Amino acid sequence: QLQLQESGPGLVKPSETLSLTCTVSGGSISSSSYYWGWIRQPPGKGLEWIGSIYYSGSTYYNPSLKSRVTISVDTSKNQFSLKLSSVTAADTAVYYCARHRAGTVRLVLYYYYMDVWGKGTTVTVSS
Amino acid sequence: SYELTQPLSVSVALGQTARITCGGNNIGSKNVHWYQQKPGQAPVLVIYRDSNRPSGIPERFSGSNSGNTATLTISRAQAGDEADYYCQVWDSSILVVFGGGTKLTVL
Repeated sequence: QLQLQESGPGLVKPSETLSLTCTVSGGSISSSSYYWGWIRQPPGKGLEWIGSIYYSGSTYYNPSLKSRVTISVDTSKNQFSLKLSSVTAADTAVYYCARHRAGTVRLVLYYYYMDVWGKGTTVTVSS
Repeated sequence: SYELTQPLSVSVALGQTARITCGGNNIGSKNVHWYQQKPGQAPVLVIYRDSNRPSGIPERFSGSNSGNTATLTISRAQAGDEADYYCQVWDSSILVVFGGGTKLTVL
């Protein structure tokens, strides 16, 4: 059974970089047709997609966060990671990692959804 | 930009049918996915590609998508169905788009 587990600091200072890692167990991160990514949820608010990565290193990023986000993958450790720079209080949220299922037609993506989620980790931005 | 509109809340009597809508411009041309999120828990995929149920999701959950509206239908609603529900699509410009979420209350 595939499981995802987020890890990283629960408290980050303003202007610093938030760093989280997601460890995948029960399956390989190098599986075809799957991307691996991050979603966040500020307290009391809805879901916001951050971005995702394929095992080869190909990425998609939310245009509104793209300038501050880097997602990387380490296939040897079956892990992928998130870095979000220049954080502010608005980046305080529960951060989830999730497996993304992708469907393509002639190499063009036409559906994309998250079928397995981690339990989430709370990150607070405060001095 | 592409936006998805959901009602803030929907109420349903125990055992009755709940319908949660997700509106978007020509959403019928896109694949819509639905997630259930209970308090303090991670979201769970309940419908993918408009009307498909992942394994382990009861048959009471179904989905449809046409025109400018996608609908998640929950038949014979149970107390355990109380949760927030989010629709989601892939858009070529915005990429992953979530609706604002709907709180389902079972009376």
